[in-house]
Order: sequence, then C-alpha cells, then structure tokens
Amino acid sequence: AQTVTQSQPEMSVQEAETVTLSCTYDTSESDYYLFWYKQPPSRQMILVIRQEAYKQQNATENRFSVNFQKAAKSFSLKISDSQLGDAAMYFCAYKWSGGGADGLTFGKGTHLIIQP
Amino acid sequence: DAGVIQSPRHEVTEMGQEVTLRCKPISGHDYLFWYRQTMMRGLELLIYFNNNVPIDDSGMPEDRFSAKMPNASFSTLKIQPSEPRDSAVYFCASSPISSGYYGYTFGSGTRLTVV
Repeated sequence: AQTVTQSQPEMSVQEAETVTLSCTYDTSESDYYLFWYKQPPSRQMILVIRQEAYKQQNATENRFSVNFQKAAKSFSLKISDSQLGDAAMYFCAYKWSGGGADGLTFGKGTHLIIQP
Repeated sequence: DAGVIQSPRHEVTEMGQEVTLRCKPISGHDYLFWYRQTMMRGLELLIYFNNNVPIDDSGMPEDRFSAKMPNASFSTLKIQPSEPRDSAVYFCASSPISSGYYGYTFGSGTRLTVV
C-alpha cells in the first residue's frame, strides 16, 4: 500500500520569507500524480499544485513550486514571499494514475504559521 | 459551477441517534468520494462511487456506516447508531476521471459531534 509521510507537524516562517514543506512517499508504481492541498481554518481543501510523475520538470504555480525527486520519492513544496493568507494546514497527497480510482492517499499534514 | 456542496456544515447529535450527511458533486464528475478527517488518523477514504455505483467500501469502519448514491447529483453517508468516536469532519469530493489527473474537488465538509 502507498504511504505518504510529512515529517514536519508544524513550520513557522516570517512574512515575505521562503519556506519549504517536506513530503516523502512510498510506492512501487512508476506512473502517478502528487498533489499539495491547503486547508485554511475555513476547512475547505484547496488544490495548490499538481505534479505528474512522468514529467521531470517541477511544477510551478505563482509563488508555489515543488521539488520533485522521483528516485528519492520526495516531493517538497516551496512557498516564496510568504503571505499571511498562506497560514493553513498543508497536505501532501498521492494518486496512482491507473484506472480503478482508489482514492488520494494523504499525509498527516504540516501546520504552517506565518509570523507578521 | 457551485463546486461540491455538503450539508449540514455542522451536526451535533446524541449517541445512538441516526445521522445523515449529504453531498452534491460537481455536475459531470463521475467519481464521488467520502473521506473522514480526525486528528489521530488524518484523512481516510471511506468509500467511493463510479457512476453512482459503490466501487470500494473497504474504508468504511463498521456496519454502522452506510453510503448511497441514488443518482448522479446526490449522495448520502449515514451513521446508525452514532457513537462519540464517530466525531470527525466528513468530506465529500468528486472527480471527472479515475486517474486523478485533475485531483479531486472537495466540499467544505461536515463537522460531526456525537455527545
């Protein structure tokens, strides 16, 4: 079974600084997707960024980028120019790309605190 | 597009009572998922549907839990009888395809408290 591990229960960063959240995963599959979701206090799960395993290029969405290391099974999220609105729980998730939709597997999350 | 709609947003009930959570997926999304979120266990997949048919319910914790999808625009998750350990946030999510290419779109969740 696939597992996703987020080793940082909590991270703190000064506003406007850069922070990196770590995620590792375990799978025997070669084709899959990885995601970072943001969960603010409103509870809504918001998709931040997506990476396809067969693409070597790291995904980028504005201030959010990932460092995808397939061989190391590592998928970290970098947030540049941190803003107060970035404060939230961040979840890393894995999904095998094969048919049969067995659901996203989530890590336990990292609580990100933004210091003004 | 109104997104995935869940109701109620909050539910407080007494132990032993029946609880029904509701979900309306995004139109055209063929896959619907029910997740449970707790501090101890994180986000767990309970059950998912494809074209209204339950495909995998191996995550349903016990027989007290049941889920239905009578049509493409509505699903329910029922707990009968409810217990305090069922207290959690329950999310519904939908996706247009099985591969996960688009990720899943989540509703705002229902916070269930069983006293």
